[in-house]
Amino acid sequence: DQQVKQNSPSLSVQEGRISILNCDYTNSMFDYFLWYKKYPAEGPTFLISISSIKDKNEDGRFTVFLNKSAKHLSLHIVPSQPGDSAVYFCAASDYNDYKLSFGAGTTVTVRA
Amino acid sequence: DTAVSQTPKYLVTQMGNDKSIKCEQNLGHDTMYWYKQDSKKFLKIMFSYNNKELIINETVPNRFSPKSPDKAHLNLHINSLELGDSAVYFCASSQGDRYEQYFGPGTRLTVT
Repeated sequence: DQQVKQNSPSLSVQEGRISILNCDYTNSMFDYFLWYKKYPAEGPTFLISISSIKDKNEDGRFTVFLNKSAKHLSLHIVPSQPGDSAVYFCAASDYNDYKLSFGAGTTVTVRA
Repeated sequence: DTAVSQTPKYLVTQMGNDKSIKCEQNLGHDTMYWYKQDSKKFLKIMFSYNNKELIINETVPNRFSPKSPDKAHLNLHINSLELGDSAVYFCASSQGDRYEQYFGPGTRLTVT
């Protein structure tokens, strides 16, 4: 009963182009969403987040979009750089819970 | 200057043994977590402590017992290890109800 789904296990993009990662959720109680980045043999590191009262949040090259009606969010990375090659996890939580529910991750490979 | 550290990084042991994984954070956070990343790469919450008090206890076999001697430490003890316990275990911390959690590098447990 995965409540957060990342249906694309992998994404390959050319350096300098846009990377778009997608995430869907099923729990309508979720009101806070995060993206984490993970390199091999390391723990996930927080990248960017968005509250359900917003539909967009931007931080440098990273922008997260939230469509509440569709229960969908996406992460845009522009421009993509070789150092962005990693696994990206989408996560969600509801206000009353410290718990994060994670998706399965999307492996991004940025080609030179 | 590691923010969240775990020891050991790798742990290989036989079925039936008892083992512990230690976690320490130097961020001054008051909430700590244990996650399990299984073979399908899903990150699933196991436990969470806030100010040494257990606040999240997911459906985890009672062979797993967390122990928090103080706010900066959350250890995980596992009794009677089974093959299915093989996974990567991540410790994380956060401040209060902030959803941005900081993860340790993970402990890869292999049960043979």
